[in-house]
Amino acid sequence: KQEVTQIPAALSVPEGENLVLNCSFTDSAIYNLQWFRQDPGKGLTSLLLIQSSQREQTSGRLNASLDKSSGRSTLYIAASQPGDSATYLCAVYSGGGADGLTFGKGTHLIIQP
Amino acid sequence: GAGVSQTPSNKVTEKGKYVELRCDPISGHTALYWYRQSLGQGPEFLIYFQGTGAADDSGLPNDRFFAVRPEGSVSTLKIQRTERGDSAVYLCASSRTGLNTEAFFGQGTRLTVV
Repeated sequence: KQEVTQIPAALSVPEGENLVLNCSFTDSAIYNLQWFRQDPGKGLTSLLLIQSSQREQTSGRLNASLDKSSGRSTLYIAASQPGDSATYLCAVYSGGGADGLTFGKGTHLIIQP
Repeated sequence: GAGVSQTPSNKVTEKGKYVELRCDPISGHTALYWYRQSLGQGPEFLIYFQGTGAADDSGLPNDRFFAVRPEGSVSTLKIQRTERGDSAVYLCASSRTGLNTEAFFGQGTRLTVV
């Protein structure tokens, strides 16, 4: 059974810093990995989708990398801003009869002004 | 619509009652998913529709939960004889063809069973 772990569970940094959020998964046979953002009391906003054949994806100040063989992904946020404060969730699609995404518990990020 | 729409946004019901939660996916998306999220946890998969049929309902916790998508667009999640443990945020997502394509989520329905 696929399991996804996100470290750290919470992170607080001053505005302007670059930061890295980590995601690991136990079964490397994935089709893709997706990073989401969730604001309090809200749904999930898709940030980046990385297919298993890709090594990284970039969108603005966000860069996500994927090392499928080692079961790891990182989300890099450059020049953090207070508006980046949210919970960041990592999810993998493993297929093989399990047709849903498997999520981690998220990293709760606070950017201090 | 432009995004996935879920109604109601909040639902409070008494233990033992029946509830229906509605999801309107992005137009043209054939795949639709329901998830449940408890406080401090990531979403957990409930059911996946491809078109009108439930391709995978392995995440439904028990037979009190049922979902339909009769015309391949709007879906309804139905919960019978609600229990306090059913309290959670129910999230709906859609994707263009399946999970090999990007999933887009609605804002969720917060269900509280009192």
